[in-house]
Amino acid sequence: ETGVTQTPRHLVMGMTNKKSLKCEQHLGHNAMYWYKQSAKKPLELMFVYNFKEQTENNSVPSRFSPECPNSSHLFLHLHTLQPEDSALYLCASSHPGQVLNTEAFFGQGTRLTVV
Amino acid sequence: ELKVEQNPLFLSMQEGKNYTIYCNYSTTSDRLYWYRQDPGKSLESLFVLLSNGAVKQEGRLMASLDTKARLSTLHITAAVHDLSATYFCAVDRAGTDKLIFGTGTRLQVFP
Repeated sequence: ETGVTQTPRHLVMGMTNKKSLKCEQHLGHNAMYWYKQSAKKPLELMFVYNFKEQTENNSVPSRFSPECPNSSHLFLHLHTLQPEDSALYLCASSHPGQVLNTEAFFGQGTRLTVV
Repeated sequence: ELKVEQNPLFLSMQEGKNYTIYCNYSTTSDRLYWYRQDPGKSLESLFVLLSNGAVKQEGRLMASLDTKARLSTLHITAAVHDLSATYFCAVDRAGTDKLIFGTGTRLQVFP
């Protein structure tokens, strides 16, 4: 059972829709991440939040808008997406400030299809 | 910019055989991770390697780290079908929150 929960698991949306992905972690971690996993590309780091502050925006288009209201919750707001944005979106959390037990734990992912 | 490369990208091997997956990274890093991903599933942490010369083993998998060469290996001993999955290495720097993944190695073990 994962300590990182993502909802929804599957999402189909039109290019004019607005939707949000949700991630919640129960591991006491202070850093949370959004990754994009496409069929023909490696895992791409999109955003990093550490203690609710965004520390990384890896040149992500503005149609993806992250929100981190607290260290346990992370959202990814989606609007006017393109078909090429269809992918598996993975949320992860970690405790990077520790010496040990620093590995990231991943949620089950949201399979997004843009039509 | 931190880059992480794995090879091979695809690996098809017979049960009972041994093989090694390689992970190279471009800049100094303090921590290296190996993950496994089954089709349609999330990533599962396998190993955390924290220092030069670190070696960890779990079942038929053994991971090692050479920070001077910026190289980690994942060695598979006497492969079995259950090991079929995609394996990722990932690298970060101590004190930072940026975790960069390799391209992944898709392993298929056949009878």
